Amino acid sequence: GNSVTQMEGPVTLSEEAFLTINCTYTATGYPSLFWYVQYPGEGLQLLLKATKADDKGSNKGFEATYRKETTSFHLEKGSVQVSDSAVYFCALTMNTGFQKLVFGTGTRLLVSP
Amino acid sequence: GAVVSQHPSWVICKSGTSVKIECRSLDFQATTMFWYRQFPKQSLMLMATSNEGSKATYEQGVEKDKFLINHASLTLSTLTVTSAHPEDSSFYICSARDPSGILDTQYFGPGTRLTVL
Repeated sequence: GNSVTQMEGPVTLSEEAFLTINCTYTATGYPSLFWYVQYPGEGLQLLLKATKADDKGSNKGFEATYRKETTSFHLEKGSVQVSDSAVYFCALTMNTGFQKLVFGTGTRLLVSP
Repeated sequence: GAVVSQHPSWVICKSGTSVKIECRSLDFQATTMFWYRQFPKQSLMLMATSNEGSKATYEQGVEKDKFLINHASLTLSTLTVTSAHPEDSSFYICSARDPSGILDTQYFGPGTRLTVL
């Protein structure tokens, strides 16, 4: 079946450090890929998405590139802020049927001043 | 962006009672809504897919008689946890699919924390 694997957290960084959260996927066919963010006490928010190979999703300084050859969609940010502390979920959906999302286990990011 | 609300945001109930959770899409019509369960420090587990006017489709291992889902309109889906027990305590999250935009996207509600005593 389809699945998403994320690096385990927590990831602890100092403010202004470079962030990478790894995400790889397994899917039959060509999925759309997503990063969602969950701030403490809140619901999930879509951070960025990419719908086909080599697409780059970007938002709020975060980027991720859909790499078909390595089946990856790593999340990066050049300079993190304390306010980026949250749990980040990588997810995929097949572009058929109900488009159910398959989530990774989530990676907690802690940014200290 | 699109907004999805859930009500209540938290609920505490006694074992054996039933609890209803509402999920509303506030500014778009959602033909499909999803219900998830999230355990502490874990990912979201899809429970069921809800389509307006038809029966919900449940994921394997989810008891449909315990978790009743009704998608009564294009903006409202409800999840009723029947005869709740402490093991049903969890964070329940809904999402609504907005197919009308340029990018077909799911929007998530803020979640409902259920505690069963």
